[in-house]
This record gives sequence, C-alpha cells and structure tokens, in this order.
Amino acid sequence: DQQVKQNSPSLSVQEGRISILNCDYTNSMFDYFLWYKKYPAEGPTFLISISSIKDKNEDGRFTVFLNKSAKHLSLHIVPSQPGDSAVYFCAASAQGGSEKLVFGKGTKLTVNP
Amino acid sequence: DVKVTQSSRYLVKRTGEKVFLECVQDMDHENMFWYRQDPGLGLRLIYFSYDVKMKEKGDIPEGYSVSREKKERFSLILESASTNQTSMYLCASSLLSGSTEHSPLHFGNGTRLTVT
Repeated sequence: DQQVKQNSPSLSVQEGRISILNCDYTNSMFDYFLWYKKYPAEGPTFLISISSIKDKNEDGRFTVFLNKSAKHLSLHIVPSQPGDSAVYFCAASAQGGSEKLVFGKGTKLTVNP
Repeated sequence: DVKVTQSSRYLVKRTGEKVFLECVQDMDHENMFWYRQDPGLGLRLIYFSYDVKMKEKGDIPEGYSVSREKKERFSLILESASTNQTSMYLCASSLLSGSTEHSPLHFGNGTRLTVT
C-alpha cells in the first residue's frame, strides 16, 4: 500500500509562473516531510523539508505547505525557471529519522521558456 | 560538501553473474543506504546500514545482500543477477538522526545496471 502518493506523474508550466507539486500521505505517524529534486543522470538532491509542528517552510523560491488534517503537502516554486525542470520526489518519515524514509513515485516538472 | 561516490556509472552484466556495486562517502556518516529507482515506481529501499557490520532490510531486499566492513564503504551484492534487476541503483548516506533533528539523505549519482 502506497503511504506517500504523488498523483501527478508530470506537470508542465511556463517560465515565470508558479509550479505547484502535490503529495498525499496515509500514515498519521509521519512527522517529517522532505522534497528532493532529481536531474537525469544525477542522484536526488535535498531541496526543502518541513516538520509536522509547522504548516509552512520557505527557502527562496521554494515553499512547502503542510495540511495535517488533510494529510497533504505541496511544494510551490515561484517564479519557475527552466533550470527547475526535474523530477521531484516527496518523502516522509516517522520519528524524524532518515533511516526509513518513504518516497513517492515522483512528479516530472517541465518549465517551458 | 558531502560526497557520495558510486564506483560505476554504467554496468552491463549477464544473467547469473555475481555483481558488486560499490559506494563510498567522505563525511563520516553513520547511515548508508541502497535504493533502486524504476520508472513509475519511484525510489525503493533495498537495504540500509546504521553502523559498521550492521544492516537492515528495506522494502525490497530479495535477491540482494550488502556488506559494510568500513564506515565509509557500503557494497550492494547481487548474488545471481536477473533481468528484473535491471535498474538505476542509488547509494545514499546520512548522519544518524537525533530526536529533534532530521538529517537529509545525500545521494550518489547512481549506477545504471543492465542485466542481459
């Protein structure tokens, strides 16, 4: 059973507009959530995270929102740039450990110039 | 910066061969991981290790084993390679997470393994 779901396999946006990537989870024990970005032929890189005690975390153009009651989080990229084109993975863990991170299947973002 | 180095970017092996995938990290991280990435399936954990000679099964350990003789090195072993093990293999490392801090994973660039 998928505990972390990214229901959109792909997303296409215009440069300068907002990109919103969504992630849903089913395990109420998850208390830490992360987003990783992956370019082709490279390993994923950590992008941004949020603890369950917060509902928003911001880092430059990237903001993650967490709605615990809906078990939903989203990553907003504003403004989107062509260099943001990558696969984005949502991940979650219980008790704050990276030892048992659960990843979603990823969303491929394409930002068109 | 943390560097996680996987010894091969591309490997082609025959069915039944024993395959070794090597990974080295240079940041004295306690945790090391092996994932595989397949289209439509995301990242799936094969094994992880939180200390030398310690290992724990992940979600898909069947057909794989691991070895961690030194803190910086974590090897993935395919005892008898099969075509369904054709995949991108990703090694990662992290600090041991504390009760209030979370240590993100640092990934290598992956090894694309093809089993024919």
